[in-house]
Amino acid sequence: DQQVKQNSPSLSVQEGRISILNCDYTNSMFDYFLWYKKYPAEGPTFLISISSIKDKNEDGRFTVFLNKSAKHLSLHIVPSQPGDSAVYFCAVGGNAGNMLTFGGGTRLMVKP
Amino acid sequence: EAGVVQSPRYKIIEKKQPVAFWCNPISGHNTLYWYRQNLGQGPELLIRYENEEAVDDSQLPKDRFSAERLKGVDSTLKIQPAELGDSAVYLCASSPGQGHGYTFGSGTRLTVV
Repeated sequence: DQQVKQNSPSLSVQEGRISILNCDYTNSMFDYFLWYKKYPAEGPTFLISISSIKDKNEDGRFTVFLNKSAKHLSLHIVPSQPGDSAVYFCAVGGNAGNMLTFGGGTRLMVKP
Repeated sequence: EAGVVQSPRYKIIEKKQPVAFWCNPISGHNTLYWYRQNLGQGPELLIRYENEEAVDDSQLPKDRFSAERLKGVDSTLKIQPAELGDSAVYLCASSPGQGHGYTFGSGTRLTVV
């Protein structure tokens, strides 16, 4: 049983528009949430995180939203750029993130 | 600061052969992880080390997989014998501890033929 799900395997967005990537988790004990970005032939790189005491964290064009009651996490990228095209993984952790469980990933394609 | 270094980047072997992967974490990172990522899926944890101690290896197929982290620094992951289903990207990551995200290496792409 998957504890972390990204239900959209792919997403296509026009340059300049907003990209919204979604993630659902099942265990309410998770208290640390992250997004990773992965380019081909590279390892995932950390993008942004949020702890369970917050519902929003913003870093430049990237904002992560957390809805604890719905057990839902989302990543907003605005404006989207072609260089944002990559696979995005959400990851959740307990004990302040010392062990992470990853979703299956969403491939984002930003068209010029 | 050097990142997490993994080698080799790519490996192609025949089934039933042994294979080993090496990881050098970021200096000072006490926690080291090995993950396996199958095509089209997210990374799945194989084993986690706190210093030289394996604290979570419940997902490691122990009949054929083994890992070690001597002196709490570098780590190796071994598969013997490899099976076709072991084809995947093997990712190593390290972390300074609780409350911090991981830093991943570039991974080793294993193809078993």
